[in-house]
Amino acid sequence: GIQVEQSPPDLILQEGANSTLRCNFSDSVNNLQWFHQNPWGQLINLFYIPSGTKQNGRLSATTVATERYSLLYISSSQTTDSGVYFCAGTGSGGSYIPTFGRGTSLIVHP
Amino acid sequence: DAGVIQSPRHEVTEMGQEVTLRCKPISGHNSLFWYRQTMMRGLELLIYFNNNVPIDDSGMPEDRFSAKMPNASFSTLKIQPSEPRDSAVYFCASSFGASEAFFGQGTRLTVV
Repeated sequence: GIQVEQSPPDLILQEGANSTLRCNFSDSVNNLQWFHQNPWGQLINLFYIPSGTKQNGRLSATTVATERYSLLYISSSQTTDSGVYFCAGTGSGGSYIPTFGRGTSLIVHP
Repeated sequence: DAGVIQSPRHEVTEMGQEVTLRCKPISGHNSLFWYRQTMMRGLELLIYFNNNVPIDDSGMPEDRFSAKMPNASFSTLKIQPSEPRDSAVYFCASSFGASEAFFGQGTRLTVV
């Protein structure tokens, strides 16, 4: 199966700062998702983005499938953005299984 | 839709006891996944069902773990006998084919 690497593993920001999280894949992916795991452990869907760019409020994501990476942008960060951000990719070999990276742990200080 | 529903939310059991976790996928979804999350190993796939049939169970740790999907709206993950190292958060997720997957709120299992 595919390997998923996320960077950075940890990130500490002051409220209002911007950040970019990265996700690299070892092989082609058909589908790519970004999740936010909040402090209560719930996995929240942020983006379903096999390719291209999407925006939702202060968050946006870009996937460049041909270069096997995806980026998540957080602008004007807020304390509620704290948590762990995961990306998950589904390989192109006919498997429907999302494979997760180890996540980026984000702490936003007031 | 209410989303993926898991029960119980929390389970505390003694070593050696049987534990059954339950999952109701989103109506119309035909792919169901069970994941386990630990600090050491992150989110790891245990088993994947497609159209109620187990397709990939290579992530099931050992014979103490078993999973069933008797119909399109229900799945169980059973651990018998449970051990302290099984303590983790267990997530169920569903999707339609390879499209966007949605996760339940998870079951936090503690085996003492």
